[in-house]
Amino acid sequence: AQSVTQPDIHITVSEGASLELRCNYSYGATPYLFWYVQSPGQGLQLLLKYFSGDTLVQGIKGFEAEFKRSQSSFNLRKPSVHWSDAAEYFCAVGAEDSSYKLIFGSGTRLLVRP
Amino acid sequence: NAGVTQTPKFRVLKTGQSMTLLCAQDMNHEYMYWYRQDPGMGLRLIHYSVGEGTTAKGEVPDGYNVSRLKKQNFLLGLESAAPSQTSVYFCASSPPPGFGGYTFGSGTRLTVV
Repeated sequence: AQSVTQPDIHITVSEGASLELRCNYSYGATPYLFWYVQSPGQGLQLLLKYFSGDTLVQGIKGFEAEFKRSQSSFNLRKPSVHWSDAAEYFCAVGAEDSSYKLIFGSGTRLLVRP
Repeated sequence: NAGVTQTPKFRVLKTGQSMTLLCAQDMNHEYMYWYRQDPGMGLRLIHYSVGEGTTAKGEVPDGYNVSRLKKQNFLLGLESAAPSQTSVYFCASSPPPGFGGYTFGSGTRLTVV
């Protein structure tokens, strides 16, 4: 069965430092992969997505993610974190069937130190 | 603004009461979804619909029913609410054939006491 694992429940970084959030997936074919961000009390906003092609994808707010098939990973990165990036981040994979549903990881909460 | 609208935004129910959550989208999307979000568990799919008049079970369907009588609306019903259904509920919609236009609503926070 498809699944998504985000091994870090919480991550704390200092403002201006670099960030990497980990995501591993289980999937039979070429996956559709997503990163969403959720600010407190808000809905989910799409940061970026990977369908095919270039394995390094650029998203909004200065985020990028790299698809590594050999490691079944889709890690999210940002070179310099801003205080406004504090939020919860969800990795998701698109289902292999015709439902086009998303399967989410459990999320990583990012805290930013001043 | 175009998008997905959920009503109500907040609700407190007593155990055993019933209620319906409404999701409305104005993007003419075929696919609609109901997820619940619980701490440490991400979002889990409750039910979904791939078109008007169709519904299907997701990962955690027990205790919920849904209806898609009109293309733009997807209703989630709780017939007899239980404390375990305390959660934040998100609706989403998407056009076929893929994931490019997935749009989420802002959520409904439900507390069952």
